[in-house]
Amino acid sequence: QSALTQPASVSGSPGQSITISCTGTSSDVGIYYYVSWYQQHPGTAPKLMIYDVRNRPSGVSNRFSGSKSGNTASLTISGLQAEDEADYYCSSYTSSSTLVFGGGTKLTVL
Amino acid sequence: QITLKESGPTLVKPTQTLTLTCTFSGFSFSNNGEGVGWIRQPPGKALEWLGLIYWNEDERYRPSLKSRLSITKDTSKNQVVLTMTNMDPVDTATYYCAHRRLFSFYDFDIWGQGTLVTVSS
Repeated sequence: QSALTQPASVSGSPGQSITISCTGTSSDVGIYYYVSWYQQHPGTAPKLMIYDVRNRPSGVSNRFSGSKSGNTASLTISGLQAEDEADYYCSSYTSSSTLVFGGGTKLTVL
Repeated sequence: QITLKESGPTLVKPTQTLTLTCTFSGFSFSNNGEGVGWIRQPPGKALEWLGLIYWNEDERYRPSLKSRLSITKDTSKNQVVLTMTNMDPVDTATYYCAHRRLFSFYDFDIWGQGTLVTVSS
């Protein structure tokens, strides 16, 4: 069960848009629409931001959006704000009925 | 409103068994579809899924840790217990329990605050 692949870091200026990729395999991201994204600020628990590839839980800003193409899922944050600075993790259900997380991406708002 | 809170030892010795309890409110295992998962995060590292227990007693575990893990529930007490045997310093991490979003596969909509467990002699 290998971790999903995410870039270690991304950055953007306030107001800009950024995209974080999450690459898996044909045993997870490639065959299931059960990809989630979590935001984690330092010292706090993760927060669910996107589920089932593109759905937002109630209360999550519509600046956050998700998509998937083949074995790669993506999280896009538009209108970047200082409060978006955090670590982001993707996860996917797998064909072994398990869950795999990505290695995490640190977002810096310049 | 759903809340979860982890409790247990903050320090365990190598080879010992870790037992963590997740006490929750706002939902019940008496209801179909409910589930609670365990996820850990070593200091400065990524999240790692450990396992999940469903309302119907079904359990799922991370394959590489399956021989060391057990997750049980007490419906009457609204608790889930994680047991991990033969602890090693590499198991040092913050351990989270989390509520599985109802009828989802494995996404978690509400998380506990986490508890840091250090494995050291």
